[in-house]
Amino acid sequence: DAGITQSPRYKITETGRQVTLMCHQTWSHSYMFWYRQDLGHGLRLIYYSAAADITDKGEVPDGYVVSRSKTENFPLTLESATRSQTSVYFCASSHRPGQGAYEQYFGPGTRLTVT
Amino acid sequence: GQQVMQIPQYQHVQEGEDFTTYCNSSTTLSNIQWYKQRPGGHPVFLIQLVKSGEVKKQKRLTFQFGEAKKNSSLHITATQTTDVGTYFCASDFNAGGTSYGKLTFGQGTILTVHP
Repeated sequence: DAGITQSPRYKITETGRQVTLMCHQTWSHSYMFWYRQDLGHGLRLIYYSAAADITDKGEVPDGYVVSRSKTENFPLTLESATRSQTSVYFCASSHRPGQGAYEQYFGPGTRLTVT
Repeated sequence: GQQVMQIPQYQHVQEGEDFTTYCNSSTTLSNIQWYKQRPGGHPVFLIQLVKSGEVKKQKRLTFQFGEAKKNSSLHITATQTTDVGTYFCASDFNAGGTSYGKLTFGQGTILTVHP
């Protein structure tokens, strides 16, 4: 039971480079989310997806791109990485609301450093 | 945007003391969820409250949802070192359509427990 996985777990990249963070879930959850976590800011939503091919912006979407061609995958791309995007990134998934409590299941996180 | 204010930001207790964290909103919440994040880990769902005045218990943890559905609290009785971590509240603010399930998190309360 793999659950929800993220790769890579750690990444160091240079300013201006494109970086893609991967997220994969095995539960067939409809909803998937990307958050960043920074000291003093808690968890901030970057993008979310209600289903394959349906995505929408969260609180802090600038500089990020997402896609969701398959239900189980939700990659997050930093088009041109900046130092301000140094953070811990969490992917999460949940049932479609109406299917019981729609708690979010979080992946282990990716620690990204932009130099 | 809609916010959930969480206090205190930090709490240091001696093992055996009680601990409480509070979440407040200026608008009525349809529900509130609580998550725990261990140091170096990812957030893990604890509970969801939906009804006005609802109280739920999980062993030493007591969760309350205010009568007006604008505030919530998490109380831990007789803390243990295993309670160390960050506690977050979150709500979707009764968002509809594909925003349903899109959570806004409080800033979190970091709990340290001294043995």
